[in-house]
Amino acid sequence: EDKVVQSPLSLVVHEGDTVTLNCSYEVTNFRSLLWYKQEKKAPTFLFMLTSSGIEKKSGRLSSILDKKELFSILNITATQTGDSAVYLCAVEEVGNTPLVFGKGTRLSVIA
Amino acid sequence: GAVVSQHPSWVICKSGTSVKIECRSLDFQATTMFWYRQFPKQSLMLMATSNEGSKATYEQGVEKDKFLINHASLTLSTLTVTSAHPEDSSFYICSASSGRAYEQYFGPGTRLTVT
Repeated sequence: EDKVVQSPLSLVVHEGDTVTLNCSYEVTNFRSLLWYKQEKKAPTFLFMLTSSGIEKKSGRLSSILDKKELFSILNITATQTGDSAVYLCAVEEVGNTPLVFGKGTRLSVIA
Repeated sequence: GAVVSQHPSWVICKSGTSVKIECRSLDFQATTMFWYRQFPKQSLMLMATSNEGSKATYEQGVEKDKFLINHASLTLSTLTVTSAHPEDSSFYICSASSGRAYEQYFGPGTRLTVT
């Protein structure tokens, strides 16, 4: 049973569109939730969220966490072709345990 | 951010041979290194966690005798795929951490193709 579930699995949009990627989780001792962007190689870190309701923003990307409903969203506004990638959500639990990754959302932005 | 390198970037080998992949943390001491495998269009799958100087902890379903992990120093971990078969063809990524799990830095990955 997957602890971290991302949706949609795949998404195709046109440049300029706004997209919302979802990540829900179910872990016993939640510590933080992380978002990564993976293009052709290793994932690159985007955000770390630990508190509910506080939006993290970086340029056209933003993310927020809801610890009551156990989910996070990643928003990308005014999408560009360079945003095409797999976006991974991962959850960190308390204690020295590895991150738990979701299956990712594959975003394709077409011109 | 911290830098993690992997070598080689891409390797093609014949079925039955063994392949060693190196993961190095270049500018920090990594007490913990993680090895992941990623099949096409799928997410990262954790294979094992290794702490410097101790035996690796393998995830369920990962054969420890097939995927040998050594973490002999704070800057180097190696993954050896023994007697590789075509189904072992995958993208292998390591990450290194000096503290909490979220503070892990990913290497660029190694693409293994077994013919």
